[in-house]
Amino acid sequence: NAGVTQTPKFRILKIGQSMTLQCTQDMNHNYMYWYRQDPGMGLKLIYYSVGAGITDKGEVPNGYNVSRSTTEDFPLRLELAAPSQTSVYFCASSYSAGINEQFFGPGTRLTVL
Amino acid sequence: DAKTTQPPSMDCAEGRAANLPCNHSTISGNEYVYWYRQIHSQGPQYIIHGLKNNETNEMASLIITEDRKSSTLILPHATLRDTAVYYCIVRVGSSGYALNFGKGTSLLVTP
Repeated sequence: NAGVTQTPKFRILKIGQSMTLQCTQDMNHNYMYWYRQDPGMGLKLIYYSVGAGITDKGEVPNGYNVSRSTTEDFPLRLELAAPSQTSVYFCASSYSAGINEQFFGPGTRLTVL
Repeated sequence: DAKTTQPPSMDCAEGRAANLPCNHSTISGNEYVYWYRQIHSQGPQYIIHGLKNNETNEMASLIITEDRKSSTLILPHATLRDTAVYYCIVRVGSSGYALNFGKGTSLLVTP
C-alpha cells in the first residue's frame, strides 16, 4: 500500500492564483482530512470528509473548498490565493472517527507571493 | 477535548530512554491519550494511545497515572532517528474528527 499520497510536494503561487492540492489514499478509509501547519505551530483542521459525497468544515475553512467524489480522493481547492495561505498542507485518512489512528501524507509546501 | 501541557523541548542521549511527560489534568473519563510525532518536514506519525492502562507497542510505552491527570511516553532506547516533535493529544474516542495538535515537545537525541 502506498498509504496517503499528496501532489505536488512544493508549489509557489502568485496572489490571486488558484490551484488544487491532490490527496489520494489506498487504504479504503472512509474518513479524510485536510490540515495546515504554519511555521512553528501545530496542525489545524481545514476540512474533513466522512465518506464520498460528504464534507464539512473544520477550524480554518475560509479560502478553501473541497470535494469527495470517490473514497480514494479528497482534493483541496485554493481560490484567489493569499499570502496568509502560505503553509504546509497535510492530508490524512482514518478508518473511522473513533480511536483509530490517522495516517498522514508527506505534505505540500505552498508559498504565496 | 482536554487541554494538554508539554515541555517545549527535551534532550536525550542516544541509546538512553527518552521520557516525555504530558499533563492533562482536566481529562474526562471517556477521553483517550494519543501520542503522535512529526519528524522534520514529514507528516505526523501515530505512536500509541491509551485510556487508563499502560500500553506498549513496538515503538514506545505509554504510562498513564492512576488518576489519569498525566502520562509519560517512553522511547526505551532512543536513536538519532527519534529526533522529532512529539504531540500529546487527548480526545474522546467516538466523537470529533480533528486531532488537536498543540506545539508539542521537540526531542533532540544526541550522539
